[in-house]
Amino acid sequence: QSVLTQPPSVSAAPGQKVTISCSGSSSNIGNNYVSWYQQLPGTAPKLLIYENNRRPSGIPDRFSGSKSGTSATLGITGLQTGDEADYYCGTWDSSLSAGVFGGGTKLTVL
Amino acid sequence: QVQLQESGPGLVKPSEPLSLTCTVSGGHISSNYWSWIRQPPGKGLEWIGYIFYTGTTSYNPSLKSRVTISVDTSRNQFSLKLSSVTAADTAVYYCARARLEWSSGYYYYMDVWGKGTTVTVSS
Repeated sequence: QSVLTQPPSVSAAPGQKVTISCSGSSSNIGNNYVSWYQQLPGTAPKLLIYENNRRPSGIPDRFSGSKSGTSATLGITGLQTGDEADYYCGTWDSSLSAGVFGGGTKLTVL
Repeated sequence: QVQLQESGPGLVKPSEPLSLTCTVSGGHISSNYWSWIRQPPGKGLEWIGYIFYTGTTSYNPSLKSRVTISVDTSRNQFSLKLSSVTAADTAVYYCARARLEWSSGYYYYMDVWGKGTTVTVSS
């Protein structure tokens, strides 16, 4: 049981847009900043979004992040088959004094 | 460019300790936080803990009684020790560089990851 809740899977067609939600509480998302990670099959996770909506160098602007209250959202536009991966949200939980992740969302590009 | 490489035994017997090392190259281990994360087969990511280069640590409450993370700045390495392992500790273990700051809330994220190392607990 993950501290942060994500849908197990989402799907969309190439070229379309998809959003992935991440729900938490006031002890984590509600008062701290959210990051998102992409894990392509058989590889290590890669940082996609940090501080709710900032992209590291090299991450295309097709990827975006937002936060409202105790939930966060990852958006991906112009979907490509290469975007098929597992996506995880993460943040700090002030009550646990620990890092926490969502359970992950598998994106399928149909 | 900072790179991380995990190393350690791929097979550990039940009840024995698991020990892994992460070697940092392309940069110095000082002035950063360093984390361990694991991923059981077919499952999601689980945060294990972090260490600051000064030795300050924070651990996952569910693993705290069995986890020790240490740092060796002279070797540019940090290490994970997990005691009394069981089959439930079988996972891919990742080391990562972490950013942790506070400014109207905590910023905490891992911006550089190792490739991961598979550890199987079995007799």
